[in-house]
Amino acid sequence: DTGVSQNPRHKITKRGQNVTFRCDPISEHNRLYWYRQTLGQGPEFLTYFQNEAQLEKSRLLSDRFSAERPKGSFSTLEIQRTEQGDSAMYLCASSLGPGQGYGYTFGSGTRLTVV
Amino acid sequence: GQQVMQIPQYQHVQEGEDFTTYCNSSTTLSNIQWYKQRPGGHPVFLIQLVKSGEVKKQKRLTFQFGEAKKNSSLHITATQTTDVGTYFCAGPASGTYKYIFGTGTRLKVLA
Repeated sequence: DTGVSQNPRHKITKRGQNVTFRCDPISEHNRLYWYRQTLGQGPEFLTYFQNEAQLEKSRLLSDRFSAERPKGSFSTLEIQRTEQGDSAMYLCASSLGPGQGYGYTFGSGTRLTVV
Repeated sequence: GQQVMQIPQYQHVQEGEDFTTYCNSSTTLSNIQWYKQRPGGHPVFLIQLVKSGEVKKQKRLTFQFGEAKKNSSLHITATQTTDVGTYFCAGPASGTYKYIFGTGTRLKVLA
């Protein structure tokens, strides 16, 4: 499968615990994005990487959120001291550069439930 | 901040009826993209429009970009049950690398 892969698919955690999600993008795509989606809403931007550089981070992200993309390959998103409001689907997407006309390729997402 | 709104929020149609969703941006867009998300699935890229007034077709789907490049529409002719899902438009946020997604239109098709 050459699509975007996300692990785990589901994560249930207790409030206050730390969680980490992984995203493996399409290998030819140098751009990687994290979005968050809650029920009935459109995806909300969290952060963006071009190769290994994190070029943009949403103001929605508190200091409890951190993302990395070592060596410009896979990416991880960590949430520290989780809160119930963090419950959502976390989507990773990769793409070629702008103007390519191919849009984002999304992974299947990681559904986080904080209890 | 920049906003992308879609109407209607929900639409139920009988199979075979037509369907249209409208997308409006608070700012002029350099391009607009459309995605489909099936229930329980993730968004899947459908198309990108770039030129003012551009119209593109994909089988029963017709996409249009407004002359002012602030609005767009997706029209489905003779809906089928396979068209069920939520349709999102997305526009690039000026001065950034990200796309802002619209609020989505959820389509249900009754057989």
